[in-house]
Order: sequence, then C-alpha cells, then structure tokens
Amino acid sequence: DAKTTQPPSMDCAEGRAANLPCNHSTISGNEYVYWYRQIHSQGPQYIIHGLKNNETNEMASLIITEDRKSSTLILPHATLRDTAVYYCIVRVDNAGNMLTFGGGTRLMVKP
Amino acid sequence: DAMVIQNPRYQVTQFGKPVTLSCSQTLNHNVMYWYQQKSSQAPKLLFHYYDKDFNNEADTPDNFQSRRPNTSFCFLDIRSPGLGDAAMYLCATSGGSTSGRANEQFFGPGTRLTVL
Repeated sequence: DAKTTQPPSMDCAEGRAANLPCNHSTISGNEYVYWYRQIHSQGPQYIIHGLKNNETNEMASLIITEDRKSSTLILPHATLRDTAVYYCIVRVDNAGNMLTFGGGTRLMVKP
Repeated sequence: DAMVIQNPRYQVTQFGKPVTLSCSQTLNHNVMYWYQQKSSQAPKLLFHYYDKDFNNEADTPDNFQSRRPNTSFCFLDIRSPGLGDAAMYLCATSGGSTSGRANEQFFGPGTRLTVL
C-alpha cells in the first residue's frame, strides 16, 4: 500500500469547516483513499472513501485532486465531538485488505 | 444494532501469565482483524482471518496467537505477556454488504491490556 503524509496536528474553531490534507504521491491506479478517525479511547471509525471522484456523505466530504496525489477531508461544521485523530489511508479496495495506519492528524476543535 | 463487541474493556494480567482477549461480531463478516495500538501510536495489524484462513503479519511475534472457532468469534491469545505488550487491542471486521460499504472495517471499542 502507498504511504501517506499528514500534518501531525490542526486546530479548528467550533462551527467552522475543518479541512484536513493528505499527500499520497505514490498512489497506484487501483488504490482508494480512505479516511478513518479515532476519538480518544475508542476504536477507529470509518468516515469516507473514494477513488478519483469527489465524495460526500452525512459525515464529511472528500476532495481528491485530478492527479490523485493528494486529497482533503472536509468536515463542514466541526463540533467539539469531532476532536479526534484522523487517518488517511490508501489501499486496494478488497475485503481482506488490511489498513496500514500512518501518523494521522490530531484535530482539536475549540469552542 | 449490528456491532463488534470486545470483552473485557480492561484486562490486567501478570508478566508471563497467559491471557486471552475476545471479540465477537453480529455483522456476519468474512474477515476479522486484530490490531495492537500502543500509547500515542497508530494501530498496527497483528493478523487477520479471511473466513477460516489465517494471515499473520511478518513482524507479529510468535507470542501472539489467534483462534477463530466460528464466523462470530475471534480470540487473541498472548502466551507469555511482557511489559512491552501493554497496549490497546482492537478487533475489526469487514466483508458482506452492510450499507453498501463492503470493504469498510468496523472496529470494536478495544481491550486495554495492562501487564504487571
């Protein structure tokens, strides 16, 4: 699986959009971009994933650049409960494939 | 609600005393994973089962073993825990067609292991 690079930490004001970047310059054509988050003392939680088109669900939006070398996870209206470590992972989209977690970004949402 | 259950949430064992952590799932997923997460680090895969097929990561110590007696249950056995094995152990599942996200991994809450 390709490696990813994320800033170690970010702050965001409550109610504002949180934009979390991820670089994955060595991504292969069949690898998807996945985002998970881990709230303190809980297991990781799936957020969203995509291949090349932008994706949106009830939790977030995922913007993938045209060359697929980077992406941005957008939490449109961050709340205090969104404080967590956010992991960007690239992987082939098969059921048996593991997740290789990198360092992640620790997002702190402040009042 | 369909879910991944880990019991207990906190486990204390003594140095060298075998310990078993358990995971069960009501999702009927084919794949079950065990991850180890040490303090302030990202989760690291130990091994996974695809149905009954066991897949061990190359750098997982022999001290760690796993059993999957049926689809719903998976166990992590640590034969002789050392102080360095203190960590959060996370169980996850994937597979099936839940919510159209067949390859999403669903994680349990984890078991925090303390070794005295």
